[in-house]
Amino acid sequence: AQRVTQPEKLLSVFKGAPVELKCNYSYSGSPELFWYVQYSRQRLQLLLRHISRESIKGFTADLNKGETSFHLKKPFAQEEDSAMYYCALKTSGGYQKVTFGTGTKLQVIP
Amino acid sequence: KAGVTQTPRYLIKTRGQQVTLSCSPISGHRSVSWYQQTPGQGLQFLFEYFSETQRNKGNFPGRFSGRQFSNSRSEMNVSTLELGDSALYLCASSPIQNTGELFFGEGSRLTVL
Repeated sequence: AQRVTQPEKLLSVFKGAPVELKCNYSYSGSPELFWYVQYSRQRLQLLLRHISRESIKGFTADLNKGETSFHLKKPFAQEEDSAMYYCALKTSGGYQKVTFGTGTKLQVIP
Repeated sequence: KAGVTQTPRYLIKTRGQQVTLSCSPISGHRSVSWYQQTPGQGLQFLFEYFSETQRNKGNFPGRFSGRQFSNSRSEMNVSTLELGDSALYLCASSPIQNTGELFFGEGSRLTVL
């Protein structure tokens, strides 16, 4: 069975400091990984996906199959980055099942 | 386009009762997934529907069921409610199957007393 682990419940950083939100996964097939974000009083929304290899709001994430990780990074944190971040894995083949981690709350201190 | 709409937004039930939650996906989206969100467990996958058929199911007891209508609207039902069923129930839609890109509603917050 697939599993997504986000080891930190809370990550506090100062404005301007680098951010790294950790995500590890276990899945025997070929995974697709995503990061979702939930800002205060807003809906959960997709931030980025690994297959796009894109940078959204300054965030990037690289899939490391050797370490089974998909950490989310940003070089300089901004106050508006404060939110709840969820790492998610989609199983390959068959029908869609997206498994989420338990989430990490990012708090950017002014 | 209007986003995913869930009703009711809040509801309170007592143990043993049953509840039905409704989800209207974004127009044109045919896949609907349901998740249970709790502080300790995060988002737990309940089930996914596409073209009125349940395509995938999570590890929840049979008290949790759902269905999808021909207009892609979906309902989930929980029978014989337990205190532990108190949670935020999120619905998400996507335009096609197996994309992983989910568009979430605001959720239905269920409190079981």
